[in-house]
Amino acid sequence: DAKTTQPNSMESNEEEPVHLPCNHSTISGTDYIHWYRQLPSQGPEYVIHGLTSNVNNRMASLAIAEDRKSSTLILHRATLRDAAVYYCILRDVYGSARQLTFGSGTQLTVLP
Amino acid sequence: DTAVSQTPKYLVTQMGNDKSIKCEQNLGHDTMYWYKQDSKKFLKIMFSYNNKELIINETVPNRFSPKSPDKAHLNLHINSLELGDSAVYFCASSQRGSSYNEQFFGPGTRLTVL
Repeated sequence: DAKTTQPNSMESNEEEPVHLPCNHSTISGTDYIHWYRQLPSQGPEYVIHGLTSNVNNRMASLAIAEDRKSSTLILHRATLRDAAVYYCILRDVYGSARQLTFGSGTQLTVLP
Repeated sequence: DTAVSQTPKYLVTQMGNDKSIKCEQNLGHDTMYWYKQDSKKFLKIMFSYNNKELIINETVPNRFSPKSPDKAHLNLHINSLELGDSAVYFCASSQRGSSYNEQFFGPGTRLTVL
């Protein structure tokens, strides 16, 4: 799976939007972009995924650049509960291995 | 209902012992995984397994072995525990054939080897 690059940490104020960037310049045409997050002392949880088009769900939005070399996870209104490590992961939909390859992620701190 | 559960939540043991961590999923998924998260918080895949295929990360020592009594369970056996095995171990599951393969993770088992 291709590599992703994320900032080590970001801060946001409560109830403000948060934009978490991810660079993936070596992405292939069959790579899906996945986002997971890990709350303190918990296992990772799925947030959102996309291929080419922007995506929205109840948790977040995913904005994908036209050339797909970068993407941004958007939390529309950060809450204290959103403080977590956010992982941007690429997965080849045709890859034989089904596991996720985690990078170091972005530690999001939400300030009250 | 807990989708993916692990027992025990904490495990403290002496070097050289053999231990097991149990994992159960009630999602009807056909693929299960074990991940290790070390003290620097890096999450690494150890195994992925369904009833036809076991994929082992080549860096995992052969002291670690997954055992699956049925589709809903994937237990992790560890022989001759070493200090470096101390970590948090996460079990996960997913359904093969899903285009995005969303994985559901358990709460983790914190293993401390003394």
